[in-house]
Amino acid sequence: DAGVIQSPRHEVTEMGQEVTLRCKPISGHDYLFWYRQTMMRGLELLIYFNNNVPIDDSGMPEDRFSAKMPNASFSTLKIQPSEPRDSAVYFCASSLRRSSGGLDNEQFFGPGTRLTVL
Amino acid sequence: AQKVTQAQTEISVVEKEDVTLDCVYETRDTTYYLFWYKQPPSGELVFLIRRNSFDEQNEISGRYSWNFQKSTSSFNFTITASQVVDSAVYFCALSEAGGDSWGKFQFGAGTQVVVTP
Repeated sequence: DAGVIQSPRHEVTEMGQEVTLRCKPISGHDYLFWYRQTMMRGLELLIYFNNNVPIDDSGMPEDRFSAKMPNASFSTLKIQPSEPRDSAVYFCASSLRRSSGGLDNEQFFGPGTRLTVL
Repeated sequence: AQKVTQAQTEISVVEKEDVTLDCVYETRDTTYYLFWYKQPPSGELVFLIRRNSFDEQNEISGRYSWNFQKSTSSFNFTITASQVVDSAVYFCALSEAGGDSWGKFQFGAGTQVVVTP
């Protein structure tokens, strides 16, 4: 089975440009998470969705960041305008809540997108 | 609020030595889940193990073993007879089961393990 797919794997852009990161979760998973990883702040949860609906976006740093999940198999994270401090690795992860007890909830991560804003 | 502490920033060992990674957590929930992930130099995050708060049985998987102790809020990870391929950053994570927090992970800062030949 295919894992979580992210594109692009690497993105280099100039300050002020719009950046769009893409994610395809594992088929059948009902939760999708966006994380950012930096040396200074470690792994930060930005936003997560359940059944395509945003549940918690309290980790989104500012209005320049937005995320959408138009269907169960696709999500985007957009930064507009981008700034050098947005340089990081952005991970998408998905998980499946198999029962009402929610015991099997490990997250499976994509390979990440390394974003560099010059 | 949930919190995960990995006090060890980096551990360096020589191949075949054992290495133990510490993880201490804080939570108000009585039902929660603990995880370990591995991030090798290639960068991907690989799921290793999940533990539920009501299951304190320790687990062994090959050279990996996990010691979960609710009394000390710890979930430690031991690699026995380490190999160079074990060199990676290892993350401990906590997820609370209650209400709106379901599925939301709190990650520790990670411990870099360096295994030299």
